[in-house]
Amino acid sequence: SQQGEEDPQALSIQEGENATMNCSYKTSINNLQWYRQNSGRGLVHLILIRSNEREKHSGRLRVTLDTSKKSSSLLITASRAADTASYFCATDARSGGSNYKLTFGKGTLLTVNP
Amino acid sequence: EPEVTQTPSHQVTQMGQEVILRCVPISNHLYFYWYRQILGQKVEFLVSFYNNEISEKSEIFDDQFSVERPDGSNFTLKIRSTKLEDSAMYFCASSEFHSGWASVGTQYFGPGTRLLVL
Repeated sequence: SQQGEEDPQALSIQEGENATMNCSYKTSINNLQWYRQNSGRGLVHLILIRSNEREKHSGRLRVTLDTSKKSSSLLITASRAADTASYFCATDARSGGSNYKLTFGKGTLLTVNP
Repeated sequence: EPEVTQTPSHQVTQMGQEVILRCVPISNHLYFYWYRQILGQKVEFLVSFYNNEISEKSEIFDDQFSVERPDGSNFTLKIRSTKLEDSAMYFCASSEFHSGWASVGTQYFGPGTRLLVL
């Protein structure tokens, strides 16, 4: 099964607008993390939300988590051209024993036009 | 701000050659990871490492791959005999703690090593 599927695959907005990206997953999780990747570069950690949390804020970022729907959303408010990047959600699946790995989605490519 | 570093940034090698990718995790972190991203595809987990041993590995991490923490700061990924399909961006990551839920904490990623196998 696919874990951490983001939608939309691509999103193009104007500077100043808000951008919302969604992530769905299939198995129970402990945490869900959002990352940003500029073209061909490394992964920058944005925010981690635990399975017992419903919402978290960090600057212009707002993340929600609905474990009943197995989904999360990332909202970037007042977007800037510098926010142009791919955004990924990553989950660690809860199962028996230890879990150390993150499973990434395919990502949403966000383009913010000046 | 502390960060994960990786060397080299780019590596070109011939098929069948051995490569070693190097990483310096964040100094007080105890858990270390390698991931890879084939161009245009998802980031995939390869292996996790804690207390000088592999904690978990994926099916990608076959006998051609090995990891090592040769000293107190470096963490390496060795590919013994590279194949064309090993061409990818390889990311090292580290995390500070492992919570009581047996889950990973925040994983911080390095900038990656782009490996090209010819």
